[in-house]
Amino acid sequence: DVKVTQSSRYLVKRTGEKVFLECVQDMDHENMFWYRQDPGLGLRLIYFSYDVKMKEKGDIPEGYSVSREKKERFSLILESASTNQTSMYLCASSLDSQKGYFGPGTRLTVT
Amino acid sequence: AQSVTQLDSQVPVFEEAPVELRCNYSSSVSVYLFWYVQYPNQGLQLLLKYLSGSTLVKGINGFEAEFNKSQTSFHLRKPSVHISDTAEYFCAVTFMNTGFQKLVFGTGTRLLVSP
Repeated sequence: DVKVTQSSRYLVKRTGEKVFLECVQDMDHENMFWYRQDPGLGLRLIYFSYDVKMKEKGDIPEGYSVSREKKERFSLILESASTNQTSMYLCASSLDSQKGYFGPGTRLTVT
Repeated sequence: AQSVTQLDSQVPVFEEAPVELRCNYSSSVSVYLFWYVQYPNQGLQLLLKYLSGSTLVKGINGFEAEFNKSQTSFHLRKPSVHISDTAEYFCAVTFMNTGFQKLVFGTGTRLLVSP
């Protein structure tokens, strides 16, 4: 079974802190994605990557950056956390785009 | 522009009634289509998918969806819902761009089934 893990289930950070969210998948998938989920807005794509060191902006990349140094790991970075980045963050991976496998999510609160 | 639209944010329905949740997309490239379900306080679960072939696809829990290329739609249906179908449903589309694939979600439809 494919497993996508995220480093934390819950995270509380202060405004201005640099935040790292880690995602690891164990099935050698090329594609990895970061979304944020907010009530009434669904899942919005922040960034995605289709290969090591390759990244593409999604629909809401402002305030975020990503890193993909190894195929299995895709990191989301909040350079300077703000309160409007309080959200549920979901990581996903896929092979040949035929199904997205999701991690359990990280609920980030920025105070 | 590549986008996914779910027209209804909330659909209330009585138990054993039929339901249709609507999904439309905009794309100039080929697509794969998905429906995901999220039960309260749980993660996303794949209901069904369309990759190619028959435009009517059947998924888990009695759900089915039909791909209509001319109308760029992929509506989800169930002939008789149960209380346990209360959840949020997300339509998702993979846009098969040259060189990469982008998986985009709609804003979700909350299905509320009452007795």
